[in-house]
Amino acid sequence: AQSVTQLGSHVSVSEGALVLLRCNYSSSVPPYLFWYVQYPNQGLQLLLKYTTGATLVKGINGFEAEFKKSETSFHLTKPSAHMSDAAEYFCAVSDAGGGNKLTFGTGTQLKVEL
Amino acid sequence: EAGVAQSPRYKIIEKRQSVAFWCNPISGHATLYWYQQILGQGPKLLIQFQNNGVVDDSQLPKDRFSAERLKGVDSTLKIQPAKLEDSAVYLCASSLDYSYEQYFGPGTRLTVT
Repeated sequence: AQSVTQLGSHVSVSEGALVLLRCNYSSSVPPYLFWYVQYPNQGLQLLLKYTTGATLVKGINGFEAEFKKSETSFHLTKPSAHMSDAAEYFCAVSDAGGGNKLTFGTGTQLKVEL
Repeated sequence: EAGVAQSPRYKIIEKRQSVAFWCNPISGHATLYWYQQILGQGPKLLIQFQNNGVVDDSQLPKDRFSAERLKGVDSTLKIQPAKLEDSAVYLCASSLDYSYEQYFGPGTRLTVT
């Protein structure tokens, strides 16, 4: 069975500061890993994904994440936070070739302060 | 390109009543998913369709929940009878095929009183 742990249900940063959202996964097979963002009253939007190949993945809106197999982690970062980044972020895992079934973490609410 | 459409956006019902949600996926998308997102939790897959066939419904509470995707396009999710713990946002997503990116609709927020 797969699972995802997101450390910190709420993260607060200052505008212009580094954003770091943590995600650890558990999977018995090589995983596909995803980060989604959810703005209020909207559906989830894919930020980035890791399937195979390069372990540093770049996504939209300046976000990137690095797959570290030894640490079973897939942390999301952005060098400089913007007010528009305030949202809820979900990490998810699926089996490679597992029919695209996503298992989500519990989410991290990002607050960006002036 | 139009996104995934869902209706209604909000619904309030009393426990033991029935309710239905509708989803129209992106045109041409073969795979359709229904997720349940309880407040404070991540979305949980309820059911996955490939065209009009069910691929995975292992987490669907079949005693009260049902879903169909007639003609392999639109889908409806029904709850009968509803319980208080069914209060959640129900998200519909679609993908071109089962190995492709999932696109999510805005969701239906259900409150059971």
